[in-house]
Parts: sequence; structure tokens; C-alpha cells
Amino acid sequence: QQQVKQSPQSLIVQKGGIPIINCAYENTAFDYFPWYQQFPGKGPALLIAIRPDVSEKKEGRFTISFNKSAKQFSLHIMDSQPGDSATYFCAAWENYGGSQGNLIFGKGTKLSVKP
Amino acid sequence: NAGVTQTPKFRVLKTGQSMTLLCAQDMNHEYMYWYRQDPGMGLRLIHYSVGEGTTAKGEVPDGYNVSRLKKQNFLLGLESAAPSQTSVYFCASSYGQATYNEQFFGPGTRLTVL
Repeated sequence: QQQVKQSPQSLIVQKGGIPIINCAYENTAFDYFPWYQQFPGKGPALLIAIRPDVSEKKEGRFTISFNKSAKQFSLHIMDSQPGDSATYFCAAWENYGGSQGNLIFGKGTKLSVKP
Repeated sequence: NAGVTQTPKFRVLKTGQSMTLLCAQDMNHEYMYWYRQDPGMGLRLIHYSVGEGTTAKGEVPDGYNVSRLKKQNFLLGLESAAPSQTSVYFCASSYGQATYNEQFFGPGTRLTVL
């Protein structure tokens, strides 16, 4: 059972466009939602993250919108650039209690930004 | 600071062969993880370690073994490789396992099992 559903699988936008990647979850034990960015041939790297008590977080051109009641969150990339072309993974931290937990990843979205 | 490094970068095995993937981190992180990444499947946790001498199973542990004899190293072993283990393997580490502890990933090992 896929715990974090991510869409779309791939996305092509023109330079300057605003790609939006969506994720949905069911598990209410999730309490932290990071996004990872992965360039070809590299490991994923943390891009931005949000806690469920916040509805929006911005870091530079990257914004996470979070809808707790709908159990959905999304990544927006403002003024997208060819250098943003990468695979993006949403993730959710499943809190087991105390300091124990596990990071669950979505299946990823391959973004291509055309010049 | 090299961060998280993985050895080897590429490997081709025949079915039934064994091998060990090495992960090393120089950030003095307590927690280390092994993931596999398959097309359209995202990252799936194989095994993890919460400290030197400890290991635990993740989502897809079958066919793999791990060891954490030193804090800075985390080894992933395949005793009898199968074509289903063809994948890209990523090691990661974090300071702790609390909610907000960022996981730092290595560059990956691309393994092909024929």
C-alpha cells in the first residue's frame, strides 16, 4: 500500500513557468513533510520541509502548500529555470513515538524545464 | 568534509554471486540508512542503524544483510544476488532520528545483477 501518493510522474514546463507537484497521504501519524531534490547521477538532497501546523512555507522560489484537513501538500516552483530540472520526491515522517520514526517517500516526479 | 561516500559506484554481478556495498560518513552521525531506488518506485528503506553495533529492518529487507561495526561505516551485503536486486542503492545518515533531522545521502551505487 502506497502511503504517500505523488503526482504527476513527469512534468515539462517552459522556463519561467510554475510547475506544481502534488502529494497526498492517509496516515495521521505523519508529522513532518520534506521535499527532496535529486539531480541525475546524484543522491537526493533536502530542498524544503514543512510541519503540519503551518499552511505554507517559502524558501526562495520554492513554496510548500499544506492542507491538513485534506491530507495533501504540494510543491510550487516559481519562475522555474532549466537548472531546476531534476526529480523531486515528497516524503512524510511517520512518528512512532519518542525519537523513533521512519521517512516514507513518494514515487517521484521528473521535472524538465525547457529554455 | 566528504559527507556520505559510497563504494563502489557501479557493479555488475552474476546471479548467485555475493558482494558488499560500503557506506562511510564523516559527520559523526548516529543514524545510518540503506535505501534502494527503482524506476517509478521512489526510495524504499532496506535496513537502518540507530548507532554503532545496532541494525534494524526497513520496508524491503529480504535478501540483504547489514553491519555497523564502526560508527562511521554501514555495510550492505548481498549473499546471493538475484536479478530483482538490480537497482540503485543509496546510503544516508542523520544526526538523530527525530522528526526534523535531515537525512544526508551519498551519490549511490548502481548494481546490475545478470
